[in-house]
Amino acid sequence: EDQVTQSPEALRLQEGESSSLNCSYTVSGLRGLFWYRQDPGKGPEFLFTLYSAGEEKEKERLKATLTKKESFLHITAPKPEDSATYLCAVPNTGGFKTIFGAGTRLFVKA
Amino acid sequence: DAGVTQSPTHLIKTRGQQVTLRCSPKSGHDTVSWYQQALGQGPQFIFQYYEEEERQRGNFPDRFSGHQFPNYSSELNVNALLLGDSALYLCASSPGQVPNYGYTFGSGTRLTVV
Repeated sequence: EDQVTQSPEALRLQEGESSSLNCSYTVSGLRGLFWYRQDPGKGPEFLFTLYSAGEEKEKERLKATLTKKESFLHITAPKPEDSATYLCAVPNTGGFKTIFGAGTRLFVKA
Repeated sequence: DAGVTQSPTHLIKTRGQQVTLRCSPKSGHDTVSWYQQALGQGPQFIFQYYEEEERQRGNFPDRFSGHQFPNYSSELNVNALLLGDSALYLCASSPGQVPNYGYTFGSGTRLTVV
């Protein structure tokens, strides 16, 4: 069964304290892994797409990496404005739907 | 350039009633997907529309139905509302069938069933 699991559920950091979020996935024939950011009361905002193991993408303080079974979202020297829920998602096997994980809620304290 | 527009933003309905939610996709996007997001959970796929047809459906009962119009806008209808239908309903659009560049999401409709 296609599945996406994110950990931890919540992460509390001090400003400047770097860390990583994990996304493990089970799907046959990966056709992309997506990271989104979601602020309270808003829809998810697209961040990155990764297609193959070893691929990396960067945007400001965020860097996403991909292996054959999981992806990491590394946050370097986070700021309070990075506080949000980060969602990971993959297209299902042979279909048109995208399966989302439950997300990691990130809190960055000044 | 307007992104995905959803209406209404908030809605309160009574159990057993019916509701219609609306979505206008981002300019240039022809595929619309609907998601239900319960509090503290990730979005759950309801269905996807492409060329006015339902391409795939998630694990939702027949009370959930939809439609896509020739201008690519879409509606989500939910009949016989249950308390458990209370959630944020998200519309996402993309160019083509597979969101290679990620979906563009609207801000959602917050549905409360009392």
